Amino acid sequence: NFMLTQPHSVSESPGKTVTISCTGFNGNIASNYVQWYQQRPGSAPITVIYEDNQRPSGVPGRFSGSIDRSSNSASLTISGLKIEDEADYFCQSYDSDNPCVFGGGTKLTVL
Amino acid sequence: EVHLVESGGGLVQPGGSLRLSCSASGFTFSDSAMHWVRQAPGKGLEYVSAISFNGGSTYYADSVKGRFTISRDNSKNTLYLQMSSLRTEDTAVFYCVKDLNRNILEDTEFEYWGQGTLVTVSS
Repeated sequence: NFMLTQPHSVSESPGKTVTISCTGFNGNIASNYVQWYQQRPGSAPITVIYEDNQRPSGVPGRFSGSIDRSSNSASLTISGLKIEDEADYFCQSYDSDNPCVFGGGTKLTVL
Repeated sequence: EVHLVESGGGLVQPGGSLRLSCSASGFTFSDSAMHWVRQAPGKGLEYVSAISFNGGSTYYADSVKGRFTISRDNSKNTLYLQMSSLRTEDTAVFYCVKDLNRNILEDTEFEYWGQGTLVTVSS
């Protein structure tokens, strides 16, 4: 089964840049789109990246997504970190056998 | 502005039933595939069920297959999830989610999420 693995947690200081990885196993991550969702404490998720690197309207340009075929991974990069970026981030994709696969989530601490 | 408002959650005993509703507005409901995603307390996101734009196709995760039924009423802009034979492990916040696409089992891309409704299964 296709799986997505994320680091459990990352931390960085305000104003810095952080990258969260999402590694695919038992499948080619580049074969289908990857999405990223942000979930602040006590709130519902929101979409911050869709189709690998597209930003919905209203999401700041500080958020960007990419795919690295050599490592079979997707990445979410947040530059100019703000305290409000502190949240859980989930990657998501799919394959021919499973219409939705979530990564386990990464807790971002901005300190 | 897109709004997805879930309702119908609550406390139910193991073996009981519950029907969740999701009222949609701000977009053409009949043009979008819709999904239910749940999150157990302190856990990650779990995919539950999906329905295509016209209700012609549905999908269920193995964990709920045979117990949950997804449906939609495009004339009422409402998505439903009928849950039966509930188990303690079904305790979670259930989110109604709009897809970018019309069909399911192809590209699953969540666009908008509701605020969620809490389902607690306990005796």
